[in-house]
Amino acid sequence: AQSVTQLGSHVSVSEGALVLLRCNYSSSVPPYLFWYVQYPNQGLQLLLKYTTGATLVKGINGFEAEFKKSETSFHLTKPSAHMSDAAEYFCAVSRGYSTLTFGKGTMLLVSP
Amino acid sequence: GAVVSQHPSWVICKSGTSVKIECRSLDFQATTMFWYRQFPKQSLMLMATSNEGSKATYEQGVEKDKFLINHASLTLSTLTVTSAHPEDSSFYICSARGSAGGETYEQYFGPGTRLTVT
Repeated sequence: AQSVTQLGSHVSVSEGALVLLRCNYSSSVPPYLFWYVQYPNQGLQLLLKYTTGATLVKGINGFEAEFKKSETSFHLTKPSAHMSDAAEYFCAVSRGYSTLTFGKGTMLLVSP
Repeated sequence: GAVVSQHPSWVICKSGTSVKIECRSLDFQATTMFWYRQFPKQSLMLMATSNEGSKATYEQGVEKDKFLINHASLTLSTLTVTSAHPEDSSFYICSARGSAGGETYEQYFGPGTRLTVT
């Protein structure tokens, strides 16, 4: 079975500050890992994904994440937060491109 | 990237009536479609998985007679909420995934449908 733990249901940062959203996973097989963003009353938009190869993955809107097998982590970072980054972020794990297992989500709040 | 649409985006219906939600893959053939339910401020809960031309596979605890899923073509899946009640009010999101030559591809998500049952 696979599972995802997102530490912190809410994360608050100031505009221009570093964004760090934490994700730890559990998987008995090499995982595929995903970060999605959701704005109010909208579907999910893929930010980035790790499948195989390079462990540092760059995504859209300046986000990146690093797959660390030894720590079973896939934390999402962005060097400088923008007001438009305020949204709900979901980490997900799957076996290949099979069924996704989502974390509970982290709400990112950005203050001016 | 691939595009998935849902219709309607917002629907209000009276208790006891049925409502149908459509999920379409616009620029690829979706051999598999997924239906999720999301309660306010919560994560996505997988309701069912459907493969084109086959019966849907429902997750434990999901009533298949209440949430009817049809995946009749490679670009369309429908979710019908039968005899809706206020507790069925939720945000329903579909996703679609293609496959070819034994290889499966990633899921693409629709924009969601907000269902309110009065």
